[in-house]
Amino acid sequence: ETGVTQSPTHLIKTRGQQVTLRCSSQSGHNTVSWYQQALGQGPQFIFQYYREEENGRGNFPPRFSGLQFPNYSSELNVNALELDDSALYLCASSLGTGRYSPLHFGNGTRLTVT
Amino acid sequence: SQQGEEDPQALSIQEGENATMNCSYKTSINNLQWYRQNSGRGLVHLILIRSNEREKHSGRLRVTLDTSKKSSSLLITASRAADTASYFCATGNSGGGADGLTFGKGTHLIIQP
Repeated sequence: ETGVTQSPTHLIKTRGQQVTLRCSSQSGHNTVSWYQQALGQGPQFIFQYYREEENGRGNFPPRFSGLQFPNYSSELNVNALELDDSALYLCASSLGTGRYSPLHFGNGTRLTVT
Repeated sequence: SQQGEEDPQALSIQEGENATMNCSYKTSINNLQWYRQNSGRGLVHLILIRSNEREKHSGRLRVTLDTSKKSSSLLITASRAADTASYFCATGNSGGGADGLTFGKGTHLIIQP
């Protein structure tokens, strides 16, 4: 069973630039969620993708967008980067969108915006 | 916004002792989950307790849920050095899985050998 993998592991960008983060779901999982974790904080829900469509979103502006592909892998895109976007971005996969489906997390991408 | 608040923020105990962490939340939930995070890595799901359950066990873990007080506790018995990590509670609200989980700020647990 292959776990959730994310790439890249670390990334440094300049304010105003755009970034794409990638995630491969755990084998058999059809739902992907993205979370942002600032230093010293708990993860915050960005959005969830199921059947290649966004079906839930947290309190994040539209410059945070995503994609899910037929093989259930996913991308997180962030436009017009701001300094406050510096964080650990976590991808999590689950089997279905049900409220009782535990999340399986990748190790994250550490994004630094300068 | 953070719904869950873990208490204490940090806890240091000797190996072999029991560790208890608490979580309080604000709104109605349908389940509460606990996750562990080793430094700078992803979170690992530990246990899920539904709103109609009061206690659940998994190995050395024991979780309780009191919906009238909007609180939960995680007990780790016979702690080991490998238990050193941050522990987060996360709530799933009545809206369903697509609303995502709401995490607290976590308890940083250090097990002294």
